[in-house]
Amino acid sequence: AQSVAQPEDQVNVAEGNPLTVKCTYSVSGNPYLFWYVQYPNRGLQFLLKYITGDNLVKGSYGFEAEFNKSQTSFHLKKPSALVSDSALYFCAVRDKGGGFKTIFGAGTRLFVKA
Amino acid sequence: DVKVTQSSRYLVKRTGEKVFLECVQDMDHENMFWYRQDPGLGLRLIYFSYDVKMKEKGDIPEGYSVSREKKERFSLILESASTNQTSMYLCASSRPATSAYEQYFGPGTRLTVT
Repeated sequence: AQSVAQPEDQVNVAEGNPLTVKCTYSVSGNPYLFWYVQYPNRGLQFLLKYITGDNLVKGSYGFEAEFNKSQTSFHLKKPSALVSDSALYFCAVRDKGGGFKTIFGAGTRLFVKA
Repeated sequence: DVKVTQSSRYLVKRTGEKVFLECVQDMDHENMFWYRQDPGLGLRLIYFSYDVKMKEKGDIPEGYSVSREKKERFSLILESASTNQTSMYLCASSRPATSAYEQYFGPGTRLTVT
């Protein structure tokens, strides 16, 4: 069965500091991995995805994520956080051979303090 | 710019009422989804449609039904609303779901059942 874990309910970081939002996953086959962001009172927006190839994926708004197959992780990172990055972040996984279902993590709320 | 719209941002209904949530996408996407979002639980799939008049149950279909008569429109129906269906409902669409395509989300409908 597929699953996604976001071990931190909340991450606090000071503006200008690097940020990391953690995600680990479990699939029976090879994964497609996604990060989405939800700003207050808005739907989810796609940030980036891993399909295959280079383990470091770059996405929107300066975010990047590193796929680590041995640790089954896909942590979201940004070198310098902005107050405007404060939002709810969701990691998601789909098994390449497993049909239509995408599994979402519970979400991590990021607070960036000025 | 891609767009998924939902008929209402906020909805208050009484227990036992029949509730219709409408979703429209303008991207000619084959696939459409209905999720509910609850704190600490992330997004849970209610129903998925991969073509007009075609549907698949997700993880939590009980108490819900769906209708897709046109490619661009996907409706979620609560046959007899109950208080445990108070939640945020998100509609999404995508290109073929068994691929690496990301999903595009609407702004959400916050439903309160009293």
